[in-house]
Amino acid sequence: DAGVIQSPRHEVTEMGQEVTLRCKPISGHNSLFWYRQTMMRGLELLIYFNNNVPIDDSGMPEDRFSAKMPNASFSTLKIQPSEPRDSAVYFCASSPNRTVGYGYTFGSGTRLTVV
Amino acid sequence: AQSVTQLGSHVSVSEGALVLLRCNYSSSVPPYLFWYVQYPNQGLQLLLKYTSAATLVKGINGFEAEFKKSETSFHLTKPSAHMSDAAEYFCAVSTWGMRFGAGTRLTVKP
Repeated sequence: DAGVIQSPRHEVTEMGQEVTLRCKPISGHNSLFWYRQTMMRGLELLIYFNNNVPIDDSGMPEDRFSAKMPNASFSTLKIQPSEPRDSAVYFCASSPNRTVGYGYTFGSGTRLTVV
Repeated sequence: AQSVTQLGSHVSVSEGALVLLRCNYSSSVPPYLFWYVQYPNQGLQLLLKYTSAATLVKGINGFEAEFKKSETSFHLTKPSAHMSDAAEYFCAVSTWGMRFGAGTRLTVKP
């Protein structure tokens, strides 16, 4: 099992550019979560999907952020336009079941730096 | 709303000493509680979870946690710290969409 796969591992971009982060969940997991981690705010839940459908996007900070899950094996988080305050580590996680008692499996994260 | 509070952003212990990382929760319904560990430049790894079965939960790497409803606590312990335990530890509560505490950085001194 390859685990949750995120790409790229590191991204450096200029302010105003579009950034796309990618995630491949574990096969068979039907729930997917995007988190952002910063020193100031810790781990923040941005959005989660169940069976490819967005369930709660109340954590998405602004309209500049959008996420999609076109199929069960792929999700993207897009920031357009990017700003320096978006610099953070973005994690994707997946879970096999919508039942809240399951833990999540996290990817290794994408470290985003916006200059 | 459910939430967790981790007491102490930094904990330092000597190798071989007891590790105690504190977590208190707030929930109006029986909670599902978790501890995760994060090593530098890595994602979070599940240590253990409480899902209303046994109140004493054993996890990986010799860690365990005890659910105490009367104290609304779910503290993480390990009898003897190893150098390899140095990491960031997160307590979390699972509403749908897991919410994490601020984290506790554990340092292990030789």
